[in-house]
Order: sequence, then structure tokens, then C-alpha cells
Amino acid sequence: ETGVTQTPRHLVMGMTNKKSLKCEQHLGHNAMYWYKQSAKKPLELMFVYSLEERVENNSVPSRFSPECPNSSHLFLHLHTLQPEDSALYLCASSQERYTNQPQHFGDGTRLSIL
Amino acid sequence: QKEVEQNSGPLSVPEGAIASLNCTYSDRGSQSFFWYRQYSGKSPELIMFIYSNGDKEDGRFTAQLNKASQYVSLLIRDSQPSDSATYLCAVHTGANSKLTFGKGITLSVRP
Repeated sequence: ETGVTQTPRHLVMGMTNKKSLKCEQHLGHNAMYWYKQSAKKPLELMFVYSLEERVENNSVPSRFSPECPNSSHLFLHLHTLQPEDSALYLCASSQERYTNQPQHFGDGTRLSIL
Repeated sequence: QKEVEQNSGPLSVPEGAIASLNCTYSDRGSQSFFWYRQYSGKSPELIMFIYSNGDKEDGRFTAQLNKASQYVSLLIRDSQPSDSATYLCAVHTGANSKLTFGKGITLSVRP
């Protein structure tokens, strides 16, 4: 099992659809993160969960809704997205939140909004 | 605003050469520094981290940190075509602080 697994790898959806991204980590970490990666821009932190509690929401529009049912799983629910939301969405985990230990990333979901 | 700056690139070096990737940061309180490698269509992969001033070597990779000048660099010796990727610099400023990433620099190693 790889450390952090994301599904699906690719997703194409219309602006009125509802879909969910899934992330699972097998590293025994307590913190999980959602990032957005757009071309020519730094990774943008979206959400941080620590022990299943959301500890940061980085001014993300409400059309993105995270869920963390347990410390190993993280979801990002999507609805009524906009074309500018097309990007690579990366999940990461670390031993604790905001630690100086490195974060480990999944392979991401490439999202395209029609 | 805490910022991490990387040269826009791309950087092209011949096979066997030393590739030097640089990163500067704005927050003097920064404590932990990371270099990630990202192949096209893949996730960022941690290749080096450094916490103290000076050099840290791991195989062909050397991370250099100078807190007084607020820069961190990554040297890749004997560059190989397989090193061609985007390299992301990330900085952690301390407790209760998130990781801040640079835009990344694309390295191309010519055979």
C-alpha cells in the first residue's frame, strides 16, 4: 500500500454536478490536508484536519466541503464548481499538524470543470 | 505575508553537471525547510529537509541553509535525465504555522 492514496486520479464534471474526492493515508498520521495546485502558482492550502477536527479553512468557497470521518480518511465534496476550479487537488498527511516533520502527498486528482 | 520565492526557470543543465536550485524566504522565524520533487502528473515527493544552518548531504543531493541571508538551496551533483522535474521549496515558520510553498522551478537535464 502506498502511503497516501487518492481517488479518482482524473475527474471531469459539469458545473452543476456533485462529486467527491477521496484520500486515504496508511502512515498512522494524525493530520491531513487538502491543497489546490494550479499552473504557475504555489500550492494553496485549503483545509487542515487534526485528529478529525477541522483546524483551518483557508477562505475556501463553500462549494468545496471537506469531511474527515476518521484520522485515515479525508473527503472533499464538490458542488456547483466553476471553470477556475479546474486544477490538481492534492491530499497530504503528517504526523501532527503544523509540525516541522515533512508532509507526505498523494498523487492527486486532476479535476476539469466543463 | 510570508513568502517563498524561487527562480522562475526553467533551468537546463547538461547531463553530469551540477544543478543549483535556489529559494529565498521572507519570514526570519522560519525553522524547517523542505525540497520536494514533482514529476509531471505526479505528486510532490520529499527529497531533502534541513533545519540547521550549513550543508546536509544525501547521495547526489545537498541542501544548503543560510538563515542570516534567508535562503535555502538544493544542489544536484552528476545530474541525470531522470532528475528532470519541478522542484518545490517549502518553508515552515514554526509552531501553529502552515507549510508555505514556492511556485517551483522546472529542471531539465539534457542527455
